[in-house]
Amino acid sequence: TQLLEQSPQFLSIQEGENLTVYCNSSSVFSSLQWYRQEPGEGPVLLVTVVTGGEVKKLKRLTFQFGDARKDSSLHITAAQPGDTGLYLCAGGGNNDMRFGAGTRLTVKP
Amino acid sequence: GAGVSQSPSNKVTEKGKDVELRCDPISGHTALYWYRQSLGQGLEFLIYFQGNSAPDKSGLPSDRFSAERTGGSVSTLTIQRTQQEDSAVYLCASSLIKTLAGGPTGELFFGEGSRLTVL
Repeated sequence: TQLLEQSPQFLSIQEGENLTVYCNSSSVFSSLQWYRQEPGEGPVLLVTVVTGGEVKKLKRLTFQFGDARKDSSLHITAAQPGDTGLYLCAGGGNNDMRFGAGTRLTVKP
Repeated sequence: GAGVSQSPSNKVTEKGKDVELRCDPISGHTALYWYRQSLGQGLEFLIYFQGNSAPDKSGLPSDRFSAERTGGSVSTLTIQRTQQEDSAVYLCASSLIKTLAGGPTGELFFGEGSRLTVL
């Protein structure tokens, strides 16, 4: 059973489209992190959110932490082929970090 | 090196053999994690070390799996009597733990992983 549920599992879109991916849990987290992983590499941190209701923007990426600190979303505006990768959310609790199964995004030129 | 280093990068072994995977974390990072990633899947938590505390072994899938962290630095993940279902990429990450209200917020820095293939 996944502590963190991510959806959709797969997403294939055209360059220029917008998209949102979700990370949901029944547990409350003190923080949530989003990572991006490219083939053959380890995941790389994109953002950490710590406050319920927090919104963080990173260029074309917008991250939101739910008010109850149980869920988060990642919105990408005008997706580009370089955004292709596996997007993982990770939740901190009890001093360890657990990951969701990820959303595999493909952006076609 | 400045990053997390893992070795070997690739390991092919026969079913039933033992394997050891090594992780050199970033110097000064107190936390060290092992994850397993099967083809096309997300990260499965295996084990977590934090300073001198007892490790969190709750993710180890069977007693064939074990891990040590010597001197608070290098870690070795050992898989005994390997099975074909053990084939995966084993990722190590290290972190400086920054706790807020009891939870970690430190960034995890990952190595490139060790790809294990059990024939």
